[in-house]
Amino acid sequence: EAGVTQFPSHSVIEKGQTVTLRCDPISGHDNLYWYRRVMGKEIKFLLHFVKESKQDESGMPNNRFLAERTGGTYSTLKVQPAELEDSGVYFCASSQRLAGGLSYEQYFGPGTRLTVT
Amino acid sequence: AQSVAQPEDQVNVAEGNPLTVKCTYSVSGNPYLFWYVQYPNRGLQFLLKYITGDNLVKGSYGFEAEFNKSQTSFHLKKPSALVSDSALYFCAGGFQKLVFGTGTRLLVSP
Repeated sequence: EAGVTQFPSHSVIEKGQTVTLRCDPISGHDNLYWYRRVMGKEIKFLLHFVKESKQDESGMPNNRFLAERTGGTYSTLKVQPAELEDSGVYFCASSQRLAGGLSYEQYFGPGTRLTVT
Repeated sequence: AQSVAQPEDQVNVAEGNPLTVKCTYSVSGNPYLFWYVQYPNRGLQFLLKYITGDNLVKGSYGFEAEFNKSQTSFHLKKPSALVSDSALYFCAGGFQKLVFGTGTRLLVSP
């Protein structure tokens, strides 16, 4: 079974440019999550999709970040325009949706390292 | 608010010795607790979880964790460390929106 994949693995952009990160979850996983780790700090939740719907986007830092999951399969996270403080590693994770809406362990992708210069 | 703390930035242990990586939590309601490991240039790999039931949870690669409600701890343990266990370990808590600790780097020396 293929794991969670993310593309690109590394992106270097200039301040003010736009970057789009992609995540392909494990097949059959309805839940998809985005997290990020800013250098030296803890991993922080950004948002959670259930299929194509945003369940919780309380962690999105501001309106420069836009996440989509059209069709309930892969997801994209766009940063526009990028700022220096957006640099970090962006992780995507997915999990199964169990009975009663429960879901347990999340499986993470390798991350996208974003560097804004 | 939910929080998870890993009080040690780094843990050093000799190969063959037992290891412990500490984690404490603060949650309202039933805690859902997880341990993940990150090897260099890799994503987070799930090790084990506590949802309910036995306080001693067994996971991948010979790791186990002990849930202690009175001490609000969920320490990761392994009876005999391997050099290949050297990695960054994260404790996390939460139902779907995971809250992570800051990570503990484990260094196992030959």
